[in-house]
Amino acid sequence: QSALTQPASVSGSPGQSITISCTGTSSDVGGYNYVSWYQQHPGKAPKLMIYDVSNRPSGVSSRFSGSKSGNTASLTISGLQAEDEATYYCSSYTSSTTTPKVFGGGTKLTVL
Amino acid sequence: EVQLVESGGGLVKPGGSLRLSCAASGFTFSDYSMNWVRQAPGKGLEWVSSIDTTSNTYTYYAESVKGRFTISRDNAKNSLYLQMNSLRAEDTAVYFCARDYWNDVEIGYWGQGTLVTVSS
Repeated sequence: QSALTQPASVSGSPGQSITISCTGTSSDVGGYNYVSWYQQHPGKAPKLMIYDVSNRPSGVSSRFSGSKSGNTASLTISGLQAEDEATYYCSSYTSSTTTPKVFGGGTKLTVL
Repeated sequence: EVQLVESGGGLVKPGGSLRLSCAASGFTFSDYSMNWVRQAPGKGLEWVSSIDTTSNTYTYYAESVKGRFTISRDNAKNSLYLQMNSLRAEDTAVYFCARDYWNDVEIGYWGQGTLVTVSS
């Protein structure tokens, strides 16, 4: 199972909005509404930000939103803040009977 | 509060073995599928292995570790394990224990990780 494709880096200024894409196939992203997004600060464990494509866990800011079109999922962060600077990973359930989960390569978000 | 605490990491020679443990608390351990995810230094997340709730009945492995790693759990001890054999330099990583979210499909909670270094 190949990793999902994410841009290596994105950047934005405080207050702006950015979008991170996550491209897979019909066997993962396109086939199921089980796409999740994780935020990871350096030296820390990942944190779930979005699950089931567009749902936010309790306690996650409404500035974070998710969507999907075909084989590509997206994470949008609005009203960028300095603390949003981190690496973001997408993940998807897959149709594989032996490897049910796959991650993207990660996108480093820089807040200018 | 969900807590996952990994242990057992360390320095091991190529070809050696190591057993990682994950102590879970704050939830009913037997109700959730569990996972191991690793992160090589400076690299991204890589899913390694998953186990369902039913005491080792269904286990899954990444191709990179299949045949060398074994995931298991002891629901009576609220513990998850990863037995790693025939270790290679490319297995060097922080290994995270992770619990599936309520939908039992996506990872919802992570431990802080334990570092495994494979080097001579």
